[in-house]
Amino acid sequence: SQKIEQNSEALNIQEGKTATLTCNYTNYSPAYLQWYRQDPGRGPVFLLLIRENEKEKRKERLKVTFDTTLKQSLFHITASQPADSATYLCALEVGGATNKLIFGTGTLLAVQP
Amino acid sequence: DAMVIQNPRYQVTQFGKPVTLSCSQTLNHNVMYWYQQKSSQAPKLLFHYYDKDFNNEADTPDNFQSRRPNTSFCFLDIRSPGLGDAAMYLCATSSSQGNIQYFGAGTRLSVL
Repeated sequence: SQKIEQNSEALNIQEGKTATLTCNYTNYSPAYLQWYRQDPGRGPVFLLLIRENEKEKRKERLKVTFDTTLKQSLFHITASQPADSATYLCALEVGGATNKLIFGTGTLLAVQP
Repeated sequence: DAMVIQNPRYQVTQFGKPVTLSCSQTLNHNVMYWYQQKSSQAPKLLFHYYDKDFNNEADTPDNFQSRRPNTSFCFLDIRSPGLGDAAMYLCATSSSQGNIQYFGAGTRLSVL
């Protein structure tokens, strides 16, 4: 079955450092992969999308890489800030015109001042 | 601002008492989704609508039903809530022309 794995433990880093979150998947070949941010008690908010033919995507302090051979995506936040503290969810496209996604359980990032 | 709105934000119901959660959108998206998310777990897709076409996930219990009377509104009906149905329920929308899902703030359901 399709499986998505994200770091189950919280990631604690110091303000100003780069946070790197990992998303690994098995038994699927998604056309694209997305990253969402979720704050406590709120719905996920879209951050970045990367397609299977793209190696890297950037948006301001965010960078995503996608290695379809390793079946892995890395999500980087540079110059991290306490306001970046949240849960970050990886989501895989699972096909069709309806943009169905399978989500990972997310990684909780805590940026210490 | 265009958005996805879920009501209520918090819902308390009794074991076995039917409950309806609502979702509305001003994005004019033709795809709407309902997810269930339990604490520290991934959002789990229950079903989705592509226009008026209903698509149920294979492992969604029969206890969960949905209605979409028009483009803007979608409802989640839980016919006989059990303690295991306590969760955050998320509504999301997407355009069939795009790939991004836009989520509401969610409804947290408690079952007593």
